[in-house]
Amino acid sequence: DTGVSQDPRHKITKRGQNVTFRCDPISEHNRLYWYRQTLGQGPEFLTYFQNEAQLEKSRLLSDRFSAERPKGSFSTLEIQRTEQGDSAMYLCASSPKGAFNEKLFFGSGTQLSVL
Amino acid sequence: QQQVKQSPQSLIVQKGGISIINCAYENTAFDYFPWYQQFPGKGPALLIAIRPDVSEKKEGRFTISFNKSAKQFSLHIMDSQPGDSATYFCAAWDSGTYKYIFGTGTRLKVLA
Repeated sequence: DTGVSQDPRHKITKRGQNVTFRCDPISEHNRLYWYRQTLGQGPEFLTYFQNEAQLEKSRLLSDRFSAERPKGSFSTLEIQRTEQGDSAMYLCASSPKGAFNEKLFFGSGTQLSVL
Repeated sequence: QQQVKQSPQSLIVQKGGISIINCAYENTAFDYFPWYQQFPGKGPALLIAIRPDVSEKKEGRFTISFNKSAKQFSLHIMDSQPGDSATYFCAAWDSGTYKYIFGTGTRLKVLA
């Protein structure tokens, strides 16, 4: 399977705990995005990387959130001291090099439930 | 100015009917308008997309109509099938910021 892979698919945690999600983009895609989706809403932009550089972070991404993409390959999204309001689907997407790099390919997401 | 407004929120159509979903935007910097289809437990998947220099694009049963002056675009699903039952999101791409802005989604149910 050469699609975007996310792990884990589901995560249940207690409030205050730290969680980390992983995303493996499609090989050779140089842009990688994180989006958050809550029930009944469209995906909301969180941050994106071009290769290993994090180019933009949304105001939705508080100081408790951090994302990395070492070596421009896979990416991790960490949430520290989770809150119930963090419960959502976290989606990763990647886009290819080239002029028309607006085509996003999404993974199946990580569903986070904070109890 | 960054919003994409989508309607209706939900839609029920009989098998064989036409499903129509509408979106409107404000930001004239948007220059690519895709529609994504999402099934429960899955990420959104690109369905069809259009650029603002084209007024219509058709792929199989799916058609995008685009009205640049009105800043509106719509998805038409012809001969709707139960397998089309999913949530559909319109989106707008800002090539200046390399970001998508998504609509709030339309939950489509096609009755057999």
